[in-house]
Amino acid sequence: NAGVTQTPKFQVLKTGQSMTLQCAQDMNHNSMYWYRQDPGMGLRLIYYSASEGTTDKGEVPNGYNVSRLNKREFSLRLESAAPSQTSVYFCASSGAYEQYFGPGTRLTVT
Amino acid sequence: QQPVQSPQAVILREGEDAVINCSSSKALYSVHWYRQKHGEAPVFLMILLKGGEQKGHEKISASFNEKKQQSSLYLTASQLSYSGTYFCGTALTGGGNKLTFGTGTQLKVEL
Repeated sequence: NAGVTQTPKFQVLKTGQSMTLQCAQDMNHNSMYWYRQDPGMGLRLIYYSASEGTTDKGEVPNGYNVSRLNKREFSLRLESAAPSQTSVYFCASSGAYEQYFGPGTRLTVT
Repeated sequence: QQPVQSPQAVILREGEDAVINCSSSKALYSVHWYRQKHGEAPVFLMILLKGGEQKGHEKISASFNEKKQQSSLYLTASQLSYSGTYFCGTALTGGGNKLTFGTGTQLKVEL
């Protein structure tokens, strides 16, 4: 099992550009999450999906959109990137309790 | 609202013990603990549920005081491999595990 995979691993964008971060899990989990991690801020929830076909906002949803394409895949889209969105982005999935995190995407917006 | 973790950082010598605390201003359904090593993804350590149920790794010990909305993680006989940043995540309701994480406690274990 690959667990949770994320692409790309690194990305540099210019202000105003758009991009989609991809996430997939092979553990048959219902719930999936997108977090951002900034120095000194811990992990902050952007969006989550409790099951296929449902999504809900987390703490910091502004500037992002998500799609739960199917049970395996959960993508995060930045429509018009801003320097404040420079961060490390983690995708996670969970069954009953434990959240499994992907390796992360390091995004820089210049 | 983010839970508050203390201390922010701690340095131990191998074999020493440490306690990391997590406090919330809201009534909690569960508290989750994760460890993250530099440049890596967070890894699950333990979950403590309202009512006393716990699930996690055998070598990790933690407590959850529901009345005070506080949890503590106990690291005993520390090893070099314990180094990393520890995060608590709190859930206000059951189902879905929608967590709010604290800002972390940096733990360094030295020889």
